[in-house]
Amino acid sequence: GEDVEQSLFLSVREGDSSVINCTYTDSSSTYLYWYKQEPGAGLQLLTYIFSNMDMKQDQRLTVLLNKKDKHLSLRIADTQTGDSAIYFCAEFPDTGRRALTFGSGTRLQVQP
Amino acid sequence: GAGVSQSPSNKVTEKGKDVELRCDPISGHTALYWYRQRLGQGLEFLIYFQGNSAPDKSGLPSDRFSAERTGESVSTLTIQRTQQEDSAVYLCASSLSLAVTFPYNEQFFGPGTRLTVL
Repeated sequence: GEDVEQSLFLSVREGDSSVINCTYTDSSSTYLYWYKQEPGAGLQLLTYIFSNMDMKQDQRLTVLLNKKDKHLSLRIADTQTGDSAIYFCAEFPDTGRRALTFGSGTRLQVQP
Repeated sequence: GAGVSQSPSNKVTEKGKDVELRCDPISGHTALYWYRQRLGQGLEFLIYFQGNSAPDKSGLPSDRFSAERTGESVSTLTIQRTQQEDSAVYLCASSLSLAVTFPYNEQFFGPGTRLTVL
């Protein structure tokens, strides 16, 4: 079955880098996603990676994908207090149920 | 243009009552999803609609849950005889289609309806 796992909590100081990790099980997913959820705001797509890529960089965000180990990570460089939120990784399988499967979310706390 | 909207934003109900949650997707989006987020947890898939195809109801947790969609427009999620374990935020999302290719399958989420069952 599908299962996406994440660590629950990460605390960093402002200006440091944050690394949020995720493992997934469905190898049929062409795309893997990172979403951000802030209190009072909806779920926002941050970035995605195509499954035949190892890395994708988008300004302060770097996504690394190890397809062999089914491991995905999101690195946020120069973390700011505005980055405090819950981050979800998600996979969208190419076959079967065509819906996002989300991890349980990692709460990122950025200390000034 | 407008994003996905949901109503009500908050709903408090008594155990055993029925509730209806509404979702207005982005115009032109053929796919519409419902997810549930319990406190401190990730999102669980409930149901999705794609155009005129039969909906995928495989995520509905019990027969007390049902959903309808009018064409490619509004959807309502109905929970009958609510239980305390139904308390959660119910999120709706829409996308252009279910195509494998991004961005056609990018899901845009509404703000959610927070349901509290007393």
